[in-house]
Amino acid sequence: AQKVTQAQTEISVVEKEDVTLDCVYETRDTTYYLFWYKQPPSGELVFLIRRNSFDEQNEISGRYSWNFQKSTSSFNFTITASQVVDSAVYFCALYTGANSKLTFGKGITLSVRP
Amino acid sequence: GAGVSQTPSNKVTEKGKYVELRCDPISGHTALYWYRQSLGQGPEFLIYFQGTGAADDSGLPNDRFFAVRPEGSVSTLKIQRTERGDSAVYLCASKGQGPSPLHFGNGTRLTVT
Repeated sequence: AQKVTQAQTEISVVEKEDVTLDCVYETRDTTYYLFWYKQPPSGELVFLIRRNSFDEQNEISGRYSWNFQKSTSSFNFTITASQVVDSAVYFCALYTGANSKLTFGKGITLSVRP
Repeated sequence: GAGVSQTPSNKVTEKGKYVELRCDPISGHTALYWYRQSLGQGPEFLIYFQGTGAADDSGLPNDRFFAVRPEGSVSTLKIQRTERGDSAVYLCASKGQGPSPLHFGNGTRLTVT
């Protein structure tokens, strides 16, 4: 069975602070993909980043960066210099080829105050 | 190009009625998914189509829920004898080959009174 746990439920920061969103996953498959999606108040789920299980290299893309560690089954996401427009619900999700479906965590509500 | 389109955006119905929710995926995407999102929760998988056939319908909660995709493009999620517990946002997504990201529509907010 696949499972995604986002232990944080709500985070509030002041603009320009860095914020890290945690994600822990469970799967028995050796090949899998991890995603982060953003859901702003408008409701649409927006794809942010994807990582496959064979590549633990951590990257930075603009203000976004992620830390993928297979040893701890974690896929944490960091927003640097947060902005008010970053306020949204952020979902971590897991995809495996074995069942071809995306399993979501419960989401983290991020509020960035001016 | 055009994204995933879902209609209607909002649907209010009375308990016991039948509803149909429509999804028009991104052109060329063979895989289509339906998810349900309740308030404060993450999206929950309902059903997945590869082409015209339902490859996995294990997430459908009961036999009141049914989905079709007769020509491998547009899909319709059908709910019979709606119950108040069916109230949620129903999300549709499509994707290309392999582990490419799912692209979601704006959803249909279903309210059963």
